[in-house]
Amino acid sequence: DAGVIQSPRHEVTEMGQEVTLRCKPISGHNSLFWYRQTMMRGLELLIYFNNNVPIDDSGMPEDRFSAKMPNASFSTLKIQPSEPRDSAVYFCASSHGDRAGDIQYFGAGTRLSVL
Amino acid sequence: GENVEQHPSTLSVQEGDSAVIKCTYSDSASNYFPWYKQELGKRPQLIIDIRSNVGEKKDQRIAVTLNKTAKHFSLHITETQPEDSAVYFCAASIGYSTLTFGKGTMLLVSP
Repeated sequence: DAGVIQSPRHEVTEMGQEVTLRCKPISGHNSLFWYRQTMMRGLELLIYFNNNVPIDDSGMPEDRFSAKMPNASFSTLKIQPSEPRDSAVYFCASSHGDRAGDIQYFGAGTRLSVL
Repeated sequence: GENVEQHPSTLSVQEGDSAVIKCTYSDSASNYFPWYKQELGKRPQLIIDIRSNVGEKKDQRIAVTLNKTAKHFSLHITETQPEDSAVYFCAASIGYSTLTFGKGTMLLVSP
């Protein structure tokens, strides 16, 4: 298996533009997580899906952020409009189940720069 | 919600020395504690984990200890090598998948 696949790897955009990040989880995994990583705040959970259903979106910073999982093999994280403070590395992770101890496997991340 | 504190934020050791990273958690219901290693520019990867029914777990040069009463757990790396240099994150989970991460410890192992 190729692991969790994220695209693009790098994204540079201007303030106010829409940004869409993509994730393909490991085949057979039914839990998917979006994280944001910054120096100041570390790794923060944004949203968690189980069986394509959003279970916990309490980490989504504001209405400019939205996430979807239309099927078991694809998820998107959208920021509209983007702001410079959204600059960060965004990681997607997946796990086989939804219980503590189900190992989360991370994608390579998308480095977002909003100018 | 859960809160995980991690110390130190940076740790410098000489090759061959031991390194210890400590974490505390706030919610006594947490029952799963993984440690992730993140090399510069790479993704976090699980290196070892422990569940609340176990006090210690070892894997070669890496060990993790858990004190449920005090609500803290630690990562121990013995005989450190330059390739151990990375950022290490602890995390805690309460009964289901979501993890709360510590802020990370940057470990630098000098030859």
